[in-house]
Amino acid sequence: DADVTQTPRNRITKTGKRIMLECSQTKGHDRMYWYRQDPGLGLRLIYYSFDVKDINKGEISDGYSVSRQAQAKFSLSLESAIPNQTALYFCATSDSGGASPYEQYFGPGTRLTVT
Amino acid sequence: GQQVMQIPQYQHVQEGEDFTTYCNSSTTLSNIQWYKQRPGGHPVFLIQLVKSGEVKKQKRLTFQFGEAKKNSSLHITATQTTDVGTYFCAGNSNYKLTFGKGTLLTVNP
Repeated sequence: DADVTQTPRNRITKTGKRIMLECSQTKGHDRMYWYRQDPGLGLRLIYYSFDVKDINKGEISDGYSVSRQAQAKFSLSLESAIPNQTALYFCATSDSGGASPYEQYFGPGTRLTVT
Repeated sequence: GQQVMQIPQYQHVQEGEDFTTYCNSSTTLSNIQWYKQRPGGHPVFLIQLVKSGEVKKQKRLTFQFGEAKKNSSLHITATQTTDVGTYFCAGNSNYKLTFGKGTLLTVNP
């Protein structure tokens, strides 16, 4: 969905490096999410934010941190990357006041490889 | 925490055959959603089911929500090559989605 963008789209980094993945949206949605996808494991929630001042841990938050810089921007950081954080990362948004508040809109994903 | 199980993990069909994927939750769901992810793409919302026993149709796709709101299914009639992808169910609890692991559908033309 072009309304949700993620940068970079691909990244290769080394173990121990700090890396930031960025997500921006022009949909005007208040809620934003970070997921990681691994083959055979589906999508797992890392962090979510219901508004700028609200940040919550998901099921696999260890080793990650987030920042909600504005309603439209939600960044995911890996403070010290490790190889098992190699995965496809998706940002998603939803609109609590919309006609379908539970529906999530996903960005194109960031493929991260940690060597 | 909430767990959502989805089967089968893979399904290969001949074009024209039917396909069904099943989803079961460890807890009662307020609603359930279905997403499709094409190869190399991102998940795209298909539908949301809210009511106990609800059945919804989208052309060749039929979605059902169980009476106890703990299970759901997606049935595709007469598959086409455009149906290829991974289908995920996602159970909703307090606006957080718990995804099943998905069913990868491949279609032989």
